[in-house]
Amino acid sequence: AQSVTQLDSQVPVFEEAPVELRCNYSSSVSVYLFWYVQYPNQGLQLLLKYLSGSTLVKGINGFEAEFNKSQTSFHLRKPSVHISDTAEYFCAVSNEYGNKLVFGAGTILRVKS
Amino acid sequence: GAVVSQHPSWVICKSGTSVKIECRSLDFQATTMFWYRQFPKQSLMLMATSNEGSKATYEQGVEKDKFLINHASLTLSTLTVTSAHPEDSSFYICSGTATNYGYTFGSGTRLTVV
Repeated sequence: AQSVTQLDSQVPVFEEAPVELRCNYSSSVSVYLFWYVQYPNQGLQLLLKYLSGSTLVKGINGFEAEFNKSQTSFHLRKPSVHISDTAEYFCAVSNEYGNKLVFGAGTILRVKS
Repeated sequence: GAVVSQHPSWVICKSGTSVKIECRSLDFQATTMFWYRQFPKQSLMLMATSNEGSKATYEQGVEKDKFLINHASLTLSTLTVTSAHPEDSSFYICSGTATNYGYTFGSGTRLTVV
């Protein structure tokens, strides 16, 4: 069975500072990895996804993530955050593209001025 | 891009009544619809998977007679919470998928049962 661990429940950071949100996964088969952002009382917006190929994935809003198979990680990074990045971020995994997603517990990113 | 329209955005109902939530794929045909629920400050938990024209597959612990899912067409899936109780209060989100479209999430429905 697949599972996702997001190591930090909350990450406070000052505006324009870099940030890394950590995600580790476990899966016995191929993995497809995703990062989503959720604003209060809204659905999920896809930031980026890893399906295959280059392990460094670039997404929207300046976010990127690196797939590390040996460490079973898929950490999300942004070199300089904005106040508007304050939201909850979810890492998710699927064993096949189009199959159900298993989500991590989420990380709340709080950007302070 | 692909859009899933979810309605209503929020609903308040009395205990014992039923509530229907609709998800429509507007510009693609969602062959599969996933239904999730999210409790406050928690992650999304998959409730069921429905494929167009077939019965939904429910996750362990989810009562299929309480959470009725219909996916009669490629553009519409519904979740009906029957005989709702306060413990059913939650945020419900659908996600439609199709070949080459990945996962498209609805905007969610906040259900409050009083």
